[in-house]
Amino acid sequence: DTAVSQTPKYLVTQMGNDKSIKCEQNLGHDTMYWYKQDSKKFLKIMFSYNNKELIINETVPNRFSPKSPDKAHLNLHINSLELGDSAVYFCAIGTGGYEQYFGPGTRLTVT
Amino acid sequence: GENVEQHPSTLSVQEGDSAVIKCTYSDSASNYFPWYKQELGKRPQLIIDIRSNVGEKKDQRIAVTLNKTAKHFSLHITETQPEDSAVYFCAAGGGGGNKLTFGTGTQLKVEL
Repeated sequence: DTAVSQTPKYLVTQMGNDKSIKCEQNLGHDTMYWYKQDSKKFLKIMFSYNNKELIINETVPNRFSPKSPDKAHLNLHINSLELGDSAVYFCAIGTGGYEQYFGPGTRLTVT
Repeated sequence: GENVEQHPSTLSVQEGDSAVIKCTYSDSASNYFPWYKQELGKRPQLIIDIRSNVGEKKDQRIAVTLNKTAKHFSLHITETQPEDSAVYFCAAGGGGGNKLTFGTGTQLKVEL
């Protein structure tokens, strides 16, 4: 699973806090994604970046801000955390065409 | 945009039986249809995919069929084993951007 890594694996925080989740890939692919998986297991795309450029923004509240400092990293910063933000967040990379490889996930719990 | 529906939401089979999961999609421009398996607490993993120029694809005990006219595709698992128990997701892509739209998942339970 070292092709795509996420930190932290678990994140417990209180409402109103600001937190970041980091994603790093070592495969050299251009496209990276953030997905949210809620308690019902629904997988919804949030953002897509291609070579550090935002490609997809799926009507996500502007409290969520992705940042891609370079091709290998796509971080997700969340401001003013709410209870409904509790979920598992997956980073994924596009490995060619439409194939996607998921990272191990970050379980965010907002109390 | 693309809309993917997946059925059933839960499926329980006896070990050795076959399991079938069905998906429909709405965007006729979609041309890539992967299936992911997600074990409890793990990441979704690609198990098989099919492109629109192919009607069927097999890999050992799993197979996927695609009917482009009807806009539906299915996952078939034969000779199910307890380790097949997981949540399975279908997805559709290719209609626009490098985006996959996922179905709502099927919890498959293989009972001994």
